[in-house]
Amino acid sequence: ETGVTQSPTHLIKTRGQQVTLRCSSQSGHNTVSWYQQALGQGPQFIFQYYREEENGRGNFPPRFSGLQFPNYSSELNVNALELDDSALYLCASSRDSAGEETQYFGPGTRLLVL
Amino acid sequence: RKEVEQDPGPFNVPEGATVAFNCTYSNSASQSFFWYRQDCRKEPKLLMSVYSSGNEDGRFTAQLNRASQYISLLIRDSKLSDSATYLCVGNNYGQNFVFGPGTRLSVLP
Repeated sequence: ETGVTQSPTHLIKTRGQQVTLRCSSQSGHNTVSWYQQALGQGPQFIFQYYREEENGRGNFPPRFSGLQFPNYSSELNVNALELDDSALYLCASSRDSAGEETQYFGPGTRLLVL
Repeated sequence: RKEVEQDPGPFNVPEGATVAFNCTYSNSASQSFFWYRQDCRKEPKLLMSVYSSGNEDGRFTAQLNRASQYISLLIRDSKLSDSATYLCVGNNYGQNFVFGPGTRLSVLP
């Protein structure tokens, strides 16, 4: 069974640029959630995708957007990067969106915005 | 007030000690709860789910008190390898995971 994978592992961007982060869900999982984790804090929910549709969104501005593909992999796009967007971005997959299912996390992408 | 709050920590304990972490949640609609552990610069990994009846997995015991909206994690006979940040997580049915800020544990030789 393949676990959750993310790419790239690290990324450095400058303010105003755009970034795309990628996630492949664990086999058999159809739901992908994205989280932002700033240093010293717990992960904060960005949004969730279930069967290619957004299925819930946290308190993040519209410049954070996403996609889910038919194979359940997903992308997180962030436009007009700000310094505060520097964080670890985590993707988690689960078997369904019902909420009781455990979420399994990928290793994350570390984004640094200069 | 944050939806999930945890002991601020850090906890520094000697090997073999028993340590307890507390967590409270404000959303009474939360249905399921978990403890995750996160090693430095790594992703969170599931430690255990938390049930109202309480559950135990080896040296780890988790308890949920819905009336008090309180969750606990007890670690007995601490090992050096238990050093990590412990994240309390609540999940509203059909919605997202809500993480607490985490409590850092250092087990000292």
